[in-house]
Amino acid sequence: DGGITQSPKYLFRKEGQNVTLSCEQNLNHDAMYWYRQDPGQGLRLIYYSQIVNDFQKGDIAEGYSVSREKKESFPLTVTSAQKNPTAFSLCASSPPGGDKSSNYGYTFGSGTRLTVV
Amino acid sequence: ELKVEQNPLFLSMQEGKNYTIYCNYSTTSDRLYWYRQDPGKSLESLFVLLSNGAVKQEGRLMASLDTKARLSTLHITAAVHDLSATYFCAVVRASGSRLTFGEGTQLTVNP
Repeated sequence: DGGITQSPKYLFRKEGQNVTLSCEQNLNHDAMYWYRQDPGQGLRLIYYSQIVNDFQKGDIAEGYSVSREKKESFPLTVTSAQKNPTAFSLCASSPPGGDKSSNYGYTFGSGTRLTVV
Repeated sequence: ELKVEQNPLFLSMQEGKNYTIYCNYSTTSDRLYWYRQDPGKSLESLFVLLSNGAVKQEGRLMASLDTKARLSTLHITAAVHDLSATYFCAVVRASGSRLTFGEGTQLTVNP
């Protein structure tokens, strides 16, 4: 079955430590996205990539970095500069420009819950 | 900057009642999505609305889009407990690909 796999499901980070969240898709989608959801809030865009070897900052990119070396993979690194203590991070993918013909143009992963300890 | 606002943010209703969630957005959009999220879970896609006047229905949920007013509604008919969840609308700017989300409406349906 095609889909997006995020790992790990739970991640604990010590202050000053960098950690990497994995996102892999086998949908052959060109575009991939990382969103963060803070408790009781909506989703905000961290980074997105519309094609391999290219990515753009979203609305809350500070303290994060990404890479897009392969079409199917879009890992997110949370650096020590990211002060948010707890967040739920969601990875998503879509065909270029989204799929206007499909009700399910954007596919979301199951999420990673990151906590600073 | 594209802004998406939902209201209400919290909604508590009794089973069997009807209610509407509103989603306003600030700029021209290609399409609008509605998602459902259960606690601690990812997003489940409900509807995508592509044009002015579009209406889609699935079970007790019906979504509509008025692009001139930059407004979408999610109408709940005869609510049941299983509909308790947080509902998000999300908008894609014209010629863009990134989704911008509203704050979400936390719906609780009481028996």
